[in-house]
Amino acid sequence: DAGITQSPRHKVTETGTPVTLRCHQTENHRYMYWYRQDPGHGLRLIHYSYGVKDTDKGEVSDGYSVSRSKTEDFLLTLESATSSQTSVYFCAISVGDPSTDTQYFGPGTRLTVL
Amino acid sequence: GNSVTQMEGPVTLSEEAFLTINCTYTATGYPSLFWYVQYPGEGLQLLLKATKADDKGSNKGFEATYRKETTSFHLEKGSVQVSDSAVYFCALSDSGGATNKLIFGTGTLLAVQP
Repeated sequence: DAGITQSPRHKVTETGTPVTLRCHQTENHRYMYWYRQDPGHGLRLIHYSYGVKDTDKGEVSDGYSVSRSKTEDFLLTLESATSSQTSVYFCAISVGDPSTDTQYFGPGTRLTVL
Repeated sequence: GNSVTQMEGPVTLSEEAFLTINCTYTATGYPSLFWYVQYPGEGLQLLLKATKADDKGSNKGFEATYRKETTSFHLEKGSVQVSDSAVYFCALSDSGGATNKLIFGTGTLLAVQP
């Protein structure tokens, strides 16, 4: 258990509304990631962070923004949610040297956009 | 670009049967390779990994060998149990940017019947 929590765990929202998902870790790991999981696609990287205020885009970043104002929290924001963003969102952290790429995942947030 | 291809499921087996889930990859360089498992309603858990050619990762009776000549990392278990029912993801590390990133296959659902 790498001490990762995500909130909320479930959310239903309407098209066009803003949504923020939170990932919280308790062990001060430097690297954090946001993925989405969709049938037939596995997990795809949305954004990642390599330190406070240091973030970069992943494979499917369009329509998403992130912020990391302190080490323990990594926020994912959908500025104007669309139905195509209905998905399960997972946060992950790298433990130790990121070149070994062992990532540990949170429990996920199921988001439904109506 | 780098990619992972794994066999489509579902794979349905009887308890104590032998399991193989195929995974092949395309990558430049020498990525690390991983198997993650996702139990119903949970996040992904690292099952095993291998960081260089001919390495064998193993955990909980599962094994996978990093085969550079065939670009494969097939998951095997000699005798499956009902509790092994889950979705299994093959992944590789993708270097570049501020940290290595994981690229996942689409996942293989394993259902073990008593």
